[in-house]
Amino acid sequence: EAGVAQSPRYKIIEKRQSVAFWCNPISGHATLYWYQQILGQGPKLLIQFQNNGVVDDSQLPKDRFSAERLKGVDSTLKIQPAKLEDSAVYLCASSRASQETQYFGPGTRLLVL
Amino acid sequence: QKEVEQDPGPLSVPEGAIVSLNCTYSNSAFQYFMWYRQYSRKGPELLMYTYSSGNKEDGRFTAQVDKSSKYISLFIRDSQPSDSATYLCAMTGQSGYSTLTFGKGTMLLVSP
Repeated sequence: EAGVAQSPRYKIIEKRQSVAFWCNPISGHATLYWYQQILGQGPKLLIQFQNNGVVDDSQLPKDRFSAERLKGVDSTLKIQPAKLEDSAVYLCASSRASQETQYFGPGTRLLVL
Repeated sequence: QKEVEQDPGPLSVPEGAIVSLNCTYSNSAFQYFMWYRQYSRKGPELLMYTYSSGNKEDGRFTAQVDKSSKYISLFIRDSQPSDSATYLCAMTGQSGYSTLTFGKGTMLLVSP
């Protein structure tokens, strides 16, 4: 079974630029999560999808972050405009259903200069 | 006070040692407790999953939950250099869409 795929693996941008990350969850997994992991911290949930609907986006900075999951499969997370404090690893995870085991992708490492 | 507290380490031990990793939490609504292992530049992977108080053993790993003290532990017996990683505790509540709350993670270094 293929794992969660993410791209790109690394991204360096200047502040105020925009950036997008892509996630392909494990086939058949209804629930998809985006986490932000700042260096030395645990992952923090940004947004949770159940199929193509948003379940929880309470910690998503909506003035600059947006996410979508078209057709309930792949998902993209966008930051526009980026700030220095957005430098982090962005992790995508999926699970068959909420409250089931979450499987994480390798993450996208973002550096904002 | 943060919802989940975890000492970031690093914790350095010799190969073969017994390792004890711990987290404390403040939210009594947490019902499910997990330990994830994260290697450098990789995503977290689930190691242990427990519900309610008590012990759960899986090979060299034992997870312990004490809900009365709001304290969870992960023990690693006969530690190996391949166990060197960051260990994250995580917990969630009862409802169907409860989100995971992670600790900061403890970096473990096992020297040969």
